[in-house]
Amino acid sequence: QAVLTQPSSLSASPGASASLTCTLRSGINVGTYRIYWYQQKSGSPPQYLLRYKSDSDKQQGSGVPSRFSGSKDASANAGILLISGLQSEDEADYYCMIWHSSAWVFGGGTKLTVL
Amino acid sequence: QVQLQESGPGLVKPSETLSLNCTFSGGSISNYYWSWIRQPPGTGLEWIGYIYYSGSTNYNPSLRSRVTISLDTSKNQFSLKLKSVSAADTAVYYCARGDGTFDFWGQGTQVTVSS
Repeated sequence: QAVLTQPSSLSASPGASASLTCTLRSGINVGTYRIYWYQQKSGSPPQYLLRYKSDSDKQQGSGVPSRFSGSKDASANAGILLISGLQSEDEADYYCMIWHSSAWVFGGGTKLTVL
Repeated sequence: QVQLQESGPGLVKPSETLSLNCTFSGGSISNYYWSWIRQPPGTGLEWIGYIYYSGSTNYNPSLRSRVTISLDTSKNQFSLKLKSVSAADTAVYYCARGDGTFDFWGQGTQVTVSS
């Protein structure tokens, strides 16, 4: 079982909100991890969005709009990237990442379609 | 503005050594980590390792036996060597600044392993 599991795809309408989940493998407690989020548009390198561990331990990437935010769902053992006020330019692949077993580990990514 | 640029052969034969350079500009080398990350075709991201400006390194355990990252401060350059490559090492290779918060990335360079 992968360390981080993300839905392969998600669709949402312009102006709506999208909640992208990153589920940690059973036995790995989401509460102890900083979760990093990256956005990758087609043909471009990934771009750092933010990291989130708690409301007192979080960081927004430079120039990243506040409509991108992080949170956690402890009951689901998952990190969440919330994108509000979706715009067409938000269409991209989104990756979560944690530091686990002496390595940075990425999730498989979620392809977000805005239509 | 910090800029990074990967360079190196786009084709490497199986069992040989993949060698890439990353040249950076627009900022200081000091107090930063310098990382390599790769992305196989159509799939997600894999962290390879980093070098700190002091010269200390840390590698992904899954690649540790084959990877060497080095730094040439006089050239504002850091390098990746991956030995004994196979088709599974075919990927776009990115260099990036940071350790976790990868805030600046190169555009990436495609490396294909094939005879």
